[in-house]
Amino acid sequence: GQQVQQSPASLVLQEGENAELQCNFSTSLNSMQWFYQRPGGSLVSLFYNPSGTKHSGRLTSTTVIKERRSSLHISSSQTTDSGTYLCALELNYNQGKLIFGQGTKLSIKP
Amino acid sequence: NAGVIQTPRHKVTGKGQEATLWCEPISGHSAVFWYRQTIVQGLEFLTYFRNQAPIDDSGMPKERFSAQMPNQSHSTLKIQSTQPQDSAVYLCASSSFLDRLSGNTLYFGEGSRLIVV
Repeated sequence: GQQVQQSPASLVLQEGENAELQCNFSTSLNSMQWFYQRPGGSLVSLFYNPSGTKHSGRLTSTTVIKERRSSLHISSSQTTDSGTYLCALELNYNQGKLIFGQGTKLSIKP
Repeated sequence: NAGVIQTPRHKVTGKGQEATLWCEPISGHSAVFWYRQTIVQGLEFLTYFRNQAPIDDSGMPKERFSAQMPNQSHSTLKIQSTQPQDSAVYLCASSSFLDRLSGNTLYFGEGSRLIVV
């Protein structure tokens, strides 16, 4: 079965609303990463977050290993936040091989 | 820093032909990864190299796909006898294992879009 499950698959919000994206994994992990992908664009790393909470501007990532989940919170969303957000699980520490979720497609309406 | 460079950006090839994709990792990065992205399957791991040595090719279709890293500045992914189901965006990424604080953050190229007709 899939080792990494993301939810929701898609999310439509009005500008200014907060977005909460979830990533659940079915195996023990060594690290979790979040990426952003614009349509037709490359993947950009947002967070490397093996555990705990990290902040970057309006973005917050929280990984709770015991509960096998990681979340990405976007506050005061903007239209430029639209795109696909992917979480990726690193199974063996320091190997770098990532298993990706299917992504959450976020659309922010003006 | 130019980032990870992939060529060609787009390639259309006929069924049965060979396709070779190139990747130039970020200078100084010791690991290179290849992924394939399709709408149906999402991002799939193919293979990766560390210090030019093949480490894990568990995601590579066994018969027609091969990858090499002849030197630290480039890697190639070759698909022989291409089939329509090989159509995808092939993404290359590199990382440095020296930065323990940021971990093994992957830096992706723009991808090579392969269309097999």
